[in-house]
Amino acid sequence: KAGVTQTPRYLIKTRGQQVTLSCSPISGHRSVSWYQQTPGQGLQFLFEYFSETQRNKGNFPGRFSGRQFSNSRSEMNVSTLELGDSALYLCASSPPTGKQETQYFGPGTRLLVL
Amino acid sequence: ILNVEQSPQSLHVQEGDSTNFTCSFPSSNFYALHWYRWETAKSPEALFVMTLNGDEKKKGRISATLNTKEGYSYLYIKGSQPEDSATYLCAPRTSGGYQKVTFGTGTKLQVIP
Repeated sequence: KAGVTQTPRYLIKTRGQQVTLSCSPISGHRSVSWYQQTPGQGLQFLFEYFSETQRNKGNFPGRFSGRQFSNSRSEMNVSTLELGDSALYLCASSPPTGKQETQYFGPGTRLLVL
Repeated sequence: ILNVEQSPQSLHVQEGDSTNFTCSFPSSNFYALHWYRWETAKSPEALFVMTLNGDEKKKGRISATLNTKEGYSYLYIKGSQPEDSATYLCAPRTSGGYQKVTFGTGTKLQVIP
């Protein structure tokens, strides 16, 4: 079974621009979560989607948004980029087997904002 | 948001040493605890999911215990090897609906050959 894939892997943007990141979950997984990791910080939860609906949201400004498509692929959008948005963005998918789902992580997208 | 603490923040051990670290979490409404290993330049990878008080899991030289009443889990590595170098993350889950996942900040382990 193919793992979680994320595109692009690396991205350089300038302040004020917007960016869209993509995540394709493992086949059969309907839950997709997004995380941000910045130097010195742990994984910060952004949001979770399940069957095209946002099920949970972290404490991030409205510039961060996401969506999920009917094939469970998910996108994350950051508008009006700030220098502090430079980070590794990870997505993770989970099988629909209840609440103790293990998360399977993609390789991440490393975003640099100049 | 859950208050999840991991200690120590970082650890250097010699190859062959055994080591352990802690994940502390609120004991109320406990549902499950996940441990992940995150090697540099790779993705976090699941190690264990633990659900019952007194649970003990083992994978090779790595084992974990769980105390849900006092809200902590220990991860042990016996005879550390350089390939064990990684950041170890824990993520508790609570009952009562779908909660956002809160990861601890992790314990970064460096095994010196």
